[in-house]
Amino acid sequence: DVKVTQSSRYLVKRTGEKVFLECVQDMDHENMFWYRQDPGLGLRLIYFSYDVKMKEKGDIPEGYSVSREKKERFSLILESASTNQTSMYLCASSNVGGRTDTQYFGPGTRLTVL
Amino acid sequence: AQSVTQPDIHITVSEGASLELRCNYSYGATPYLFWYVQSPGQGLQLLLKYFSGDTLVQGIKGFEAEFKRSQSSFNLRKPSVHWSDAAEYFCAVGAKAVSFQKLVFGTGTRLLVSP
Repeated sequence: DVKVTQSSRYLVKRTGEKVFLECVQDMDHENMFWYRQDPGLGLRLIYFSYDVKMKEKGDIPEGYSVSREKKERFSLILESASTNQTSMYLCASSNVGGRTDTQYFGPGTRLTVL
Repeated sequence: AQSVTQPDIHITVSEGASLELRCNYSYGATPYLFWYVQSPGQGLQLLLKYFSGDTLVQGIKGFEAEFKRSQSSFNLRKPSVHWSDAAEYFCAVGAKAVSFQKLVFGTGTRLLVSP
């Protein structure tokens, strides 16, 4: 089975702190994604990566950056956390194939910024 | 651009009753369609997906969905709901022609199951 793990289930940070959210997948998938989930808004794509050191902005990249130094690991970085970044963050991975394929999700990190 | 509409924010169904969750999509080409379920405090689990072929798709946990191109719909159904089905359900559409895989999700439908 595909396994996607996220470093923390719950995280509490203060405004202005630098925050790292880590995601690791164990299925050698090329593609990895970061979403945020907010009530009434569903899932919105922040960034995705289709290869090591490659990244593309999603729909809401402002205030975020990402890093992918190894194939299995995709990090989301909040350079200076703000209260409006309080949310559930979901990581996903999928295989490449030139077509849309199944994305496998981690359990999520619920981030609270005070 | 792709978009997905799930018109029902909440649905309450009695245990043992049938269920239908609605999903309408907007996409210019043939879509890839997905249904995911999210239990409280958990990530998303894939229930089923449609890429091509038979328009009636069977998934896990007794769920099925039917792709209707004429109605731009991909409704999820289950003939008899169990209390453990209480969760949030997300429909998603993917772009078929692009190199990189992006999904657009609906806003979700929360299913409540009454005894």
